[in-house]
Amino acid sequence: GDSVTQMEGPVTLSEEAFLTINCTYTATGYPSLFWYVQYPGEGLQLLLKATKADDKGSNKGFEATYRKETTSFHLEKGSVQVSDSAVYFCALRRTNFGNEKLTFGTGTRLTIIP
Amino acid sequence: KAGVTQTPRYLIKTRGQQVTLSCSPISGHRSVSWYQQTPGQGLQFLFEYFSETQRNKGNFPGRFSGRQFSNSRSEMNVSTLELGDSALYLCASSSLTGQMETQYFGPGTRLLVL
Repeated sequence: GDSVTQMEGPVTLSEEAFLTINCTYTATGYPSLFWYVQYPGEGLQLLLKATKADDKGSNKGFEATYRKETTSFHLEKGSVQVSDSAVYFCALRRTNFGNEKLTFGTGTRLTIIP
Repeated sequence: KAGVTQTPRYLIKTRGQQVTLSCSPISGHRSVSWYQQTPGQGLQFLFEYFSETQRNKGNFPGRFSGRQFSNSRSEMNVSTLELGDSALYLCASSSLTGQMETQYFGPGTRLLVL
């Protein structure tokens, strides 16, 4: 079945450091890939997405590139801020219409210290 | 446009009771999905409804059920509650006007079973 493997957390970085959170997936076909973020006490917010190979999703300084050859979708940000502290989830969804199920990774807790 | 709303936000029940959670999708969205989030199992897909029909179902026992109304609002019900049902229950809606529409999540209902 489909699965998503994320880098184990927690991750602690200093403000303005470079961030990478690794994500690899296993799925048949060509899934769409997503990064969601969850702030304390809240639901999930879509951070970025990519729907086909070599697509780059980007938002709020975060980027991730859909790499089919390595089945990866690593999240990066050049300079993190304290406000980026949250839990980040990588997820995939099959592309066939009628299947809205998201398969999530275990989440990576990120803490940014001033 | 108002986001996905879930009620109640917090709930405390005892073992053996049943509970009903409600989700109102974004106006115009016809697909509603439910997820369970626990520290041990992470985010797991429960089921998805579209136009009052359940289209997909995750691997949960029959104690977990749901329905969708003609206005797209959805409810999920858990009968004979167990301690392990304590979790954050998240609802997500999407419009399905295109093949890969984004799912928007609500803030969740936090259920504690004593």
